[in-house]
Amino acid sequence: AQTVTQSQPEMSVQEAETVTLSCTYDTSESDYYLFWYKQPPSRQMILVIRQEAYKQQNATENRFSVNFQKAAKSFSLKISDSQLGDAAMYFCAYRSVEGSGNTPLVFGKGTRLSVIA
Amino acid sequence: EPEVTQTPSHQVTQMGQEVILRCVPISNHLYFYWYRQILGQKVEFLVSFYNNEISEKSEIFDDQFSVERPDGSNFTLKIRSTKLEDSAMYFCASSVGQSSLYEQYFGPGTRLTVT
Repeated sequence: AQTVTQSQPEMSVQEAETVTLSCTYDTSESDYYLFWYKQPPSRQMILVIRQEAYKQQNATENRFSVNFQKAAKSFSLKISDSQLGDAAMYFCAYRSVEGSGNTPLVFGKGTRLSVIA
Repeated sequence: EPEVTQTPSHQVTQMGQEVILRCVPISNHLYFYWYRQILGQKVEFLVSFYNNEISEKSEIFDDQFSVERPDGSNFTLKIRSTKLEDSAMYFCASSVGQSSLYEQYFGPGTRLTVT
């Protein structure tokens, strides 16, 4: 079974600075998807960024980018030019591409990010 | 932008009582999921649902749990006889397709407290 580990329960960053959230995972599969979800206080989780394991190029979405190290099974999220609205719980998640296709997400415990003005 | 909605936002119930958590997925989505998060722990998968059938379920999803799509819009999770350890945040999600390419859209969650 796959597992996802986020070793930083809490992080903080100064507004306009850069922060990196860590995520490692364990799997025996060669093809899969990795995700970062953001959950603002009292709001639903929204997808921030997605990475297909077969792609070597790291995904980027505006100020958000990932450092995907497949051999190390590491998938960190970098937030550049942090804004107050980035304050949220961030979840790293894994999804298999094998089986029926309707596969569930496997989540880490989350990292709570605070942004300091 | 369409959103997944969940009601109620907070449910308090006594141990042994039945609860029904409600979700309205995004209207053109065909795949539905329930996840839960016990306080301080990981978000865990419970069940996925497609075409009026359970597609996959986890070990957590035992006989006390059931899901239903009673009409064209609602997707419900029923816990038949709640236990203290069922206290958690329950998230509903939906996606338009089953492939891992398709994003799962999450609702805001229902906080279930069993006393």
